[in-house]
Amino acid sequence: DAGITQSPRHKVTETGTPVTLRCHQTENHRYMYWYRQDPGHGLRLIHYSYGVKDTDKGEVSDGYSVSRSKTEDFLLTLESATSSQTSVYFCAISETGAPTPLEQYFGPGTRLTVT
Amino acid sequence: TQLLEQSPQFLSIQEGENLTVYCNSSSVFSSLQWYRQEPGEGPVLLVTVVTGGEVKKLKRLTFQFGDARKDSSLHITAAQPGDTGLYLCAGARGSSNTGKLIFGQGTTLQVKP
Repeated sequence: DAGITQSPRHKVTETGTPVTLRCHQTENHRYMYWYRQDPGHGLRLIHYSYGVKDTDKGEVSDGYSVSRSKTEDFLLTLESATSSQTSVYFCAISETGAPTPLEQYFGPGTRLTVT
Repeated sequence: TQLLEQSPQFLSIQEGENLTVYCNSSSVFSSLQWYRQEPGEGPVLLVTVVTGGEVKKLKRLTFQFGDARKDSSLHITAAQPGDTGLYLCAGARGSSNTGKLIFGQGTTLQVKP
């Protein structure tokens, strides 16, 4: 199994509070991704990183920010949590995307509930 | 609007039956992947198809990429209870080297003993 951990694994927070989720990898992979998974929507990309301090938005980035100060860590911050951000969040890593996307390895997920 | 549409969304069958899951789009993809996810875990890659018309087999699972690279199918022969899970297709577009994928909404498969 790829060395990916996510913390916390479960969190309940109140509307309006900031929340930070952490993804840590031991594979030294260049690419890291944050997804959210909701029933009927599959996985939707929030933000991704293609190197240290290099990040870009995905399809559902509003209300989220990310940071990557080290190869191994990718942080996802909900600046002011809302109930619509209740979801399961997955981190994924990949070695390269060119010319053919290689396997994305997924972490175990973080279940976030915003009350 | 879902760029990749999977059908059916739910499938409950008896052990030993065959089934096919479809992944359709109006857009062209440079490659397409199929993942399987079990409850409480992250998705795990089953296969990547790259060439239009390509067929790949993984034991009882057969994957096909459409000739126009807009659709794909997953066929399971003689399904087993261990095949139960969420099946996700994911497509890569263009020549982007970021590894970004677009996921379908998933097909939940239940195989009853």
